[in-house]
This record gives sequence, C-alpha cells and structure tokens, in this order.
Amino acid sequence: EAQVTQNPRYLITVTGKKLTVTCSQNMNHEYMSWYRQDPGLGLRQIYYSMNVEVTDKGDVPEGYKVSRKEKRNFPLILESPSPNQTSLYFCASGTGSREQYFGPGTRLTVT
Amino acid sequence: RKEVEQDPGPFNVPEGATVAFNCTYSNSASQSFFWYRQDCRKEPKLLMSVYSSGNEDGRFTAQLNRASQYISLLIRDSKLSDSATYLCVVTPTSGGYNKLIFGAGTRLAVHP
Repeated sequence: EAQVTQNPRYLITVTGKKLTVTCSQNMNHEYMSWYRQDPGLGLRQIYYSMNVEVTDKGDVPEGYKVSRKEKRNFPLILESPSPNQTSLYFCASGTGSREQYFGPGTRLTVT
Repeated sequence: RKEVEQDPGPFNVPEGATVAFNCTYSNSASQSFFWYRQDCRKEPKLLMSVYSSGNEDGRFTAQLNRASQYISLLIRDSKLSDSATYLCVVTPTSGGYNKLIFGAGTRLAVHP
C-alpha cells in the first residue's frame, strides 16, 4: 500500500529535550516536506527536500533541522524544543506540482 | 495579508443542501490550484484540482477566476460524510519545487 508513515503519532516532552520525528514514504517520491498546522494559521511549510542530500528552508524553519540521507526517509529534528513548537506536524511527499501525500500527523506537546 | 484566505466557517447545512466555499489568493502569478479535504485533525487529502475552464467531479464543482484571483468549490446534494474542513491550496511561481500554500480552511458540518 502506498503510504507516508510518521512516528511517533503523539509525543509529550519537556523544553530542551532533543527529539526526532521520523517520516518514511514507499512511493519513490523525490520531493518530501514537513508542515506544521496551528489553529487559524493553516499548514505552514517548515523544510522541504527535492532529493537525497538536497534540503531547503520553508516558511517557518527556525528551531528545526532535517536530513535526507535516503530517498524514502526525511526525519524532522528539534534540537531544543520550546513550548511554541507545540503543534500538529505533517510529513508529505509527491512529484511535480500536483498531489502531495500526507502522513497521519504527529501531535507534539512541549511543556 | 495572508497569501490564501478562506472564510473559516463553520458552514452548518442540512443533508441535500448545496453549499459553496470561496477562496482568494494574493499572488497573481500563482500557477496551480487545488482543494484538499481534511477530516477532524487527520491528514489532508487531495479532493480535486482547479482548472481555468472549471471542472466537475460528481457532486463537486471547482471554478477559478484568475482576473479576480478567486477560487470556489460547490458541493451539491450534501451528505453527512462531506463534513470536514476544506483547504484551498495554491502553488506560487517561485519558491520550492512542489511548494503548496494552504489557506486556513473552511469547516463544513452537514446535519440530518
């Protein structure tokens, strides 16, 4: 089954404790992206990757890191999480300026 | 001003009603347009693309007006299962490959 998976789905952590959210896709897509979704603001792009070893900042990259060492994986790293990073995070993959496929989301709470 | 603006709703309609959502975008050079559907805090999924000539998919009709920078989605004969948030999505001409700009969404609640 073609899908994008994310782990963990739910995470409660404390300020400053490094965490990684994994993302994996099995559709051989070159393009992958991370978004955060906050009430009233919609989805905002954090980082994206056009291919292995090629990443770039989206609209809200501060406080986040990513890596793309393999085509299928695109982890999101929060080196020192803060409460303003409490949000719902989605990973997505796609090809061309067409449909993107989203993972199920990771609900992160930073206390 | 937000790049993509939508009425947040909620739109509360009875089954069988026709409902229309509107969306405006600020970048006149935007290239591609979509409607995504998002069920209660689940992942967004593509509902349909929007073409200049207008397009229809069953009970759903999408329209694009480039001159007014306006996109619409019409749902006829609403079903309970149509209850969701509808996201207007635009791709700009510059920025990342496959960059999508999302509106904040319009919530639809269809009741019996």
